[in-house]
Amino acid sequence: GEDVEQSLFLSVREGDSSVINCTYTDSSSTYLYWYKQEPGAGLQLLTYIFSNMDMKQDQRLTVLLNKKDKHLSLRIADTQTGDSAIYFCASGYSSASKIIFGSGTRLSIRP
Amino acid sequence: DVKVTQSSRYLVKRTGEKVFLECVQDMDHENMFWYRQDPGLGLRLIYFSYDVKMKEKGDIPEGYSVSREKKERFSLILESASTNQTSMYLCASSSRGGLGTQYFGPGTRLLVL
Repeated sequence: GEDVEQSLFLSVREGDSSVINCTYTDSSSTYLYWYKQEPGAGLQLLTYIFSNMDMKQDQRLTVLLNKKDKHLSLRIADTQTGDSAIYFCASGYSSASKIIFGSGTRLSIRP
Repeated sequence: DVKVTQSSRYLVKRTGEKVFLECVQDMDHENMFWYRQDPGLGLRLIYFSYDVKMKEKGDIPEGYSVSREKKERFSLILESASTNQTSMYLCASSSRGGLGTQYFGPGTRLLVL
């Protein structure tokens, strides 16, 4: 079946940039999402990108999409302690479809 | 703002009990989903529903059933709870149009003893 893969852990120093990577297998994916889950909470949509885009920037967040390699990344500039969370990459191919989630990357921030 | 609420944040049940988890959304969304979340495994889809009284199996439906009698409410039922169903359960909803963005509830942490 379709799959989304991402590494489980990332540790960065406060103030540095964080880059979370993800690969997906469904070449028909239309939408690619990043969700954030803070401790004890549900998932919240952080940002998304359409498959016909290469890049999307939203304040401290930059999403890069390499459709040929089916590789998605999320860069968080000037990482703060409040960015500590689990980040999920996800793909979907129509607005009514299921979304396939990755296993989540736990981002921890070092002082 | 979209709001998805779940009936309990924490539940402790005994093996063999019947367990009901309820989810309510207030945005008139057609689609609703139940996931379980386990460390290292991410989110796994249990069941979903595209409309009232409709249900589709997800990736791990065994041991679960669902009910959607009203558009805003989607219930997950554990017919006979087992210890391997100890997990975090997340409900989500989405609109049939738009980006397909799923909006999540806060989750129910279920412990089966």
